[in-house]
Amino acid sequence: DTGVSQDPRHKITKRGQNVTFRCDPISEHNRLYWYRQTLGQGPEFLTYFQNEAQLEKSRLLSDRFSAERPKGSFSTLEIQRTEQGDSAMYLCASSIEARETQYFGPGTRLLVL
Amino acid sequence: AQKITQTQPGMFVQEKEAVTLDCTYDTSDPSYGLFWYKQPSSGEMIFLIYQGSYDQQNATEGRYSLNFQKARKSANLVISASQLGDSAMYFCAMREVLIQGAQKLVFGQGTRLTINP
Repeated sequence: DTGVSQDPRHKITKRGQNVTFRCDPISEHNRLYWYRQTLGQGPEFLTYFQNEAQLEKSRLLSDRFSAERPKGSFSTLEIQRTEQGDSAMYLCASSIEARETQYFGPGTRLLVL
Repeated sequence: AQKITQTQPGMFVQEKEAVTLDCTYDTSDPSYGLFWYKQPSSGEMIFLIYQGSYDQQNATEGRYSLNFQKARKSANLVISASQLGDSAMYFCAMREVLIQGAQKLVFGQGTRLTINP
């Protein structure tokens, strides 16, 4: 088990720019989740994939956000026209179908100036 | 909807002492799962322990144990013999079932634990 990996670990961008984050889940895990965590808060659910299908999206995921998992392996989360309010830690997690524990990656810290 | 409440924003404990982190939950589902995660300053969420609502015994994992009181809707984390490396944020979370049998986690606000030497 190599664990969940995320890239980049840190991203600084200017307001209005687009950013894309990548998540590589644990290899045999077919479920993948994205969460957002703002300072001093617990993570909040954004979206969920089962294999390549995006089956659930939170209301937190505005039209500027899009997530994909093209071949049921890695996933990308893109934020278009970033705003200062998008500054947060973006966490990816994965789980195996038969079990319920979600294992998290190290997260991507986004700062929008 | 599920809700998790962690009422202790911060806890300070002497090294080698035991510490209890409080967590209460609210749900109308008869079947649910409760999780504790540790988040060091690096940011990664580290899974610690899981308790299912139908589990007959309290969960234990090494120095971690979960004091599960179903009638009181509480799932407190107990860390025995605390170590300096235990200093971190601790989050209690509950499983919420989505469509097609998937689940998301609903997290509490967290408790920042500081272990003093």
